[in-house]
Amino acid sequence: DAKTTQPPSMDCAEGRAANLPCNHSTISGNEYVYWYRQIHSQGPQYIIHGLKNNETNEMASLIITEDRKSSTLILPHATLRDTAVYYCIVRPAGGGNKLTFGTGTQLKVEL
Amino acid sequence: ETGVTQTPRHLVMGMTNKKSLKCEQHLGHNAMYWYKQSAKKPLELMFVYNFKEQTENNSVPSRFSPECPNSSHLFLHLHTLQPEDSALYLCASSQDPGVNEQFFGPGTRLTVL
Repeated sequence: DAKTTQPPSMDCAEGRAANLPCNHSTISGNEYVYWYRQIHSQGPQYIIHGLKNNETNEMASLIITEDRKSSTLILPHATLRDTAVYYCIVRPAGGGNKLTFGTGTQLKVEL
Repeated sequence: ETGVTQTPRHLVMGMTNKKSLKCEQHLGHNAMYWYKQSAKKPLELMFVYNFKEQTENNSVPSRFSPECPNSSHLFLHLHTLQPEDSALYLCASSQDPGVNEQFFGPGTRLTVL
């Protein structure tokens, strides 16, 4: 599986957009980018995934660069409840059950 | 509320005790997982069950024994654990094997004395 690199921590003011970057320069053509988050002492929560087109759902938007070597998760109006560790994971679709969680980005949303 | 429940939420046990963790999913999924999350460490996949059959054992010590009696229930039986086994144990499920959208339970916080 392609390796991902994320900054260890980021801060964001409440109400502003939170832009979380992820580098995956060794991504293969059949690999998707998945994002999960984990609020303190809870289980991880699936957010969004994409292959090469930008994706949006009720939680977030995912922007994938044209060369697919990096992506950005956007929380358009961050709230205090978005404070969590955000994980970027690269996996092939139908590639089995093994999600590998790295250390992620600790996002802190402040007043 | 993800549709995946875990009991108990907290457990303290001695090294000679035997206990079990329970996971139940109400989503009609066919794949279930156990993960371990130690302090300051990434999640580690322990076991995978697809259609009630174990398909992955990630080199987990035999003092952890999983059981999947049906597609909705998953157990983790614990015996003669060590203090370093203290961690958050998370259960997850997905619609089918190979589906990467996994739904996680709230976890069981285990402390081994």
